[in-house]
Amino acid sequence: GAVVSQHPSWVICKSGTSVKIECRSLDFQATTMFWYRQFPKQSLMLMATSNEGSKATYEQGVEKDKFLINHASLTLSTLTVTSAHPEDSSFYICSARSIADRYYEQYFGPGTRLTVT
Amino acid sequence: GENVEQHPSTLSVQEGDSAVIKCTYSDSASNYFPWYKQELGKRPQLIIDIRSNVGEKKDQRIAVTLNKTAKHFSLHITETQPEDSAVYFCAASRRNTGNQFYFGTGTSLTVIP
Repeated sequence: GAVVSQHPSWVICKSGTSVKIECRSLDFQATTMFWYRQFPKQSLMLMATSNEGSKATYEQGVEKDKFLINHASLTLSTLTVTSAHPEDSSFYICSARSIADRYYEQYFGPGTRLTVT
Repeated sequence: GENVEQHPSTLSVQEGDSAVIKCTYSDSASNYFPWYKQELGKRPQLIIDIRSNVGEKKDQRIAVTLNKTAKHFSLHITETQPEDSAVYFCAASRRNTGNQFYFGTGTSLTVIP
């Protein structure tokens, strides 16, 4: 149980275009999903917290107009990188917390590798 | 916000030896501390966690200790095996206010056969 999927697993796009990444909880409902960014050989940096039916909360320094987050249902959150630039190339990982809420754990997706050319 | 520091950044041990990774955190309100193992290009996997009302937790070869007063916690792996080689991340979280995880900088562990 507690499986989180991401789609796509990798994507290459041209500079200036937008890319959407989906995060789904497959066998549980998630009130909260989190989006992280990870550069090679570096840590996971929390970008934003996504709550179903409300606006996402962004960490300091993360541009909310560039990284659009939508959490339309209890099983789906999307991250759209708008007007992508090469410096946006990174590994994007989502995680989800169960609605059961008695668990502290976050379940991570497999990540999406974005390359902007 | 929370700031988590992790040491060492790289660690090499002989197979069978123990490995210890240490983390410190800044927010005294943090009350949940998970440890994750991440292999190259894969998702982080939870290996052990500890809550602030507990000082130590053990699961087979893995143990975690927490010192709330000093705001540090450590991961201990005994009888290391080559398959323990990976990057390990600690994290700190405040359970009651959003449960955001703030990760340490990671430790690349290499177990030499």
